[in-house]
Amino acid sequence: AQTVTQSQPEMSVQEAETVTLSCTYDTSESDYYLFWYKQPPSRQMILVIRQEAYKQQNATENRFSVNFQKAAKSFSLKISDSQLGDAAMYFCAYRSAFAGNFNKFYFGSGTKLNVKP
Amino acid sequence: ETGVTQSPTHLIKTRGQQVTLRCSSQSGHNTVSWYQQALGQGPQFIFQYYREEENGRGNFPPRFSGLQFPNYSSELNVNALELDDSALYLCASSLRSDTGNTIYFGEGSWLTVV
Repeated sequence: AQTVTQSQPEMSVQEAETVTLSCTYDTSESDYYLFWYKQPPSRQMILVIRQEAYKQQNATENRFSVNFQKAAKSFSLKISDSQLGDAAMYFCAYRSAFAGNFNKFYFGSGTKLNVKP
Repeated sequence: ETGVTQSPTHLIKTRGQQVTLRCSSQSGHNTVSWYQQALGQGPQFIFQYYREEENGRGNFPPRFSGLQFPNYSSELNVNALELDDSALYLCASSLRSDTGNTIYFGEGSWLTVV
């Protein structure tokens, strides 16, 4: 079974600085997707960034980028120029590329990010 | 705004009772899934529905059941409620043909079992 581990329960960053959230996962599959989701106090899960395992190039979305190390099964999220609105819970998630598992995501336990003004 | 709406937003039930949670998927989405998120944890997959049939289940007992309707709205039913069922229940929808599988979550239903 797939597992996702986030070893940082809580992190803090100064506004305008950079922070990196860590995630490792375990799988025997070769093709899959990895995601970072943000969950603000409203509790709605918001997609931050997505990475296809077959792509070697790291995904980037504006201030958000990932460091995907397939051999090490590591998938970290870097947030540059942190803003107060980035404060939230961040979840790393795994999804198999198998066609029958369209909505079956495995989530880590989350990292609470605090942003200090 | 994801277009996925859930009701009710909060509810309190007594142990042993039954509860029905509802989800209205984003327009055009044919796959819906449900997740349970206990306090301080990440969401856990309960099951997913595609074309009104259950199409994958996580490690949850049969007292967790669901329905998907022709208009792609969905229900999650939980029988014989236990205290550990207290959690946020999230609904997510997607379009199955989207192999990149962007799924959209609702804001959840908070269930408290006393």
